[in-house]
Amino acid sequence: IAGITQAPTSQILAAGRRMTLRCTQDMRHNAMYWYRQDLGLGLRLIHYSNTAGTTGKGEVPDGYSVSRANTDDFPLTLASAVPSQTSVYFCASSDTGSTDTQYFGPGTRLTVL
Amino acid sequence: AQSVTQLGSHVSVSEGALVLLRCNYSSSVPPYLFWYVQYPNQGLQLLLKYTSAATLVKGINGFEAEFKKSETSFHLTKPSAHMSDAAEYFCAVSDMGDFNKFYFGSGTKLNVKP
Repeated sequence: IAGITQAPTSQILAAGRRMTLRCTQDMRHNAMYWYRQDLGLGLRLIHYSNTAGTTGKGEVPDGYSVSRANTDDFPLTLASAVPSQTSVYFCASSDTGSTDTQYFGPGTRLTVL
Repeated sequence: AQSVTQLGSHVSVSEGALVLLRCNYSSSVPPYLFWYVQYPNQGLQLLLKYTSAATLVKGINGFEAEFKKSETSFHLTKPSAHMSDAAEYFCAVSDMGDFNKFYFGSGTKLNVKP
């Protein structure tokens, strides 16, 4: 593989269920990010990680958690999904930080009913 | 925190016409600025970025943008639109105070008419 992969591609989920969105990169990038994209709101940062073992909160972290056990993987977990978490979720990575290009995965379309 | 405003959620131009997509930012310190493009059902791809070097930045596919500090703007232009330019375009700013935090605008959908 080359770049960033996300799984699943799409998912319909009942409210209250737990869900983990997977993200894997093979570029050995230090920084990784999770965004949600909603119509008219652009992309909003949920959580980020500067390097393996560290994570930070973005603009809209409530209801989500992340972990960064190694360089390649950055899963996003919804502990108890709610309908307002219906969105398209994008994972991204960059070599280091503010000046670096972010490379985006293809996205996961999540619907919470 | 930083913020980005993109004027016009939809812009329509004829093929061969000038493309102008507007982006204004708010920042208390010199920012880093980016333009990304998103084609249908795909992730975002970088078009160009400004990181405090030349104020006129050239990107891929013939796009360019000019950083104007006095106007807090970073508008995206292309002299002649092509049908393949139809996509959604996002302006983004990175927060130097909060390393690694990026703020995206709400996006502008570009339609190119034949």
